[in-house]
Formats: sequence, C-alpha cells, structure tokens
Amino acid sequence: DTAVSQTPKYLVTQMGNDKSIKCEQNLGHDTMYWYKQDSKKFLKIMFSYNNKELIINETVPNRFSPKSPDKAHLNLHINSLELGDSAVYFCASSHATGAQPQHFGDGTRLSIL
Amino acid sequence: DQQVKQNSPSLSVQEGRISILNCDYTNSMFDYFLWYKKYPAEGPTFLISISSIKDKNEDGRFTVFLNKSAKHLSLHIVPSQPGDSAVYFCAASAPGGADGLTFGKGTHLIIQP
Repeated sequence: DTAVSQTPKYLVTQMGNDKSIKCEQNLGHDTMYWYKQDSKKFLKIMFSYNNKELIINETVPNRFSPKSPDKAHLNLHINSLELGDSAVYFCASSHATGAQPQHFGDGTRLSIL
Repeated sequence: DQQVKQNSPSLSVQEGRISILNCDYTNSMFDYFLWYKKYPAEGPTFLISISSIKDKNEDGRFTVFLNKSAKHLSLHIVPSQPGDSAVYFCAASAPGGADGLTFGKGTHLIIQP
C-alpha cells in the first residue's frame, strides 16, 4: 500500500494554464506538506496543513493555493502557470509538526512549455 | 542563504567499506535532524533521525552522529552495499516544526563493487 500518493506523476502544460496536483496519505497523519525541488535540486517547503489549517506559508506566489478537503488530502492548485514553475513537487505527511519524520510521495514533475 | 550544507556532491565507496556522509548547519535553532535517501524518480525515503539532546543514534547499518558545538552531523553506513547507491539528503527542523524541514543539496553516494 502506498503511504503518500500523488497524481499525476508527470504534468506537461502551457504557460498561463491552471492546474492541480492531488495528494493523499493513508498513514493517519494529521499534518501534510508541499515541497518544491527546483532545477538546482534544492527541496524547499511551500506549505503545511495541520488539522485543515494552514500553519506556514513560505514566500510562495499567491498563484499557488493548497486545499485540504480532509485530513488525508492536501491538493495543490496553481493558477496562471509560468515557466519558472517547472519543477518537481513533493507532498509529505507527518504525525505532527516538530520532531517527527516526514514521509514523502514520489513527486509530480511539472513542465511548462 | 543555505542553512543546511552538504559540501560533497558525490562520494564513491567500495562495497563492504564504511560510507561517511557529512552535513553542516548554521541555524542554532535546529533541534531535530534527519537523513533521507532518494532514488531517481522517487520521493525521499526517511532513514534515521536524531534529536539535539543526543549525540548518536543507531539503526542497523546506519548511525547518525551529531556534534552540536561544531554544528555538524554525519551518517555512517557500515558495511556499504550496492543498494545503498542513491542521493542522501540531510534535513533539519526547528522547535515546533512550523517551518517544515530545511534540506541540504544532497550527496550522491556510489557504491563500487
């Protein structure tokens, strides 16, 4: 059973479009995250959700919006896609914030044409 | 500004020998440190972690050492096996974990037969 699953695995689209990436975890965790791995391979936190509330929001453009319908899901919506949004996006989850390991999905590779 | 640094982009080790991966950090607020292993086209997999109140944590072939005064941690893999060939990421979090994990850039470990 996949613990943290993301769909789609690959997403190719044109500049200006709106797209969503879905994430689901079956670990019973109460905190979920989105990370971006850019072309320089750095993994950087974008958002985290705890009990359906956004608890952090790094300096991410407001074109990006996380949406959590329930504790097991955290979807990422991106409006007006730009070339610089091309990256691999990883979803993760943990039991709580703080000293807890996070478990990652396999990533969604987003390519903007 | 990189708060977590892995200064070796790659490391080659003979099968059966010890692999030592190093990581330095600059943020003295970090109190929880983790190592992740990543294969191509997959998400990071949690390996081992250590709290700042300890200086060593061991799990099978993997041992993490923390030197708080030097702001340095290392991962030892003994003995190294071919399946250990992957990219290893060092990560850290501050109390409460509200800022998510801060990752290093990774070290590509290659185990030579």
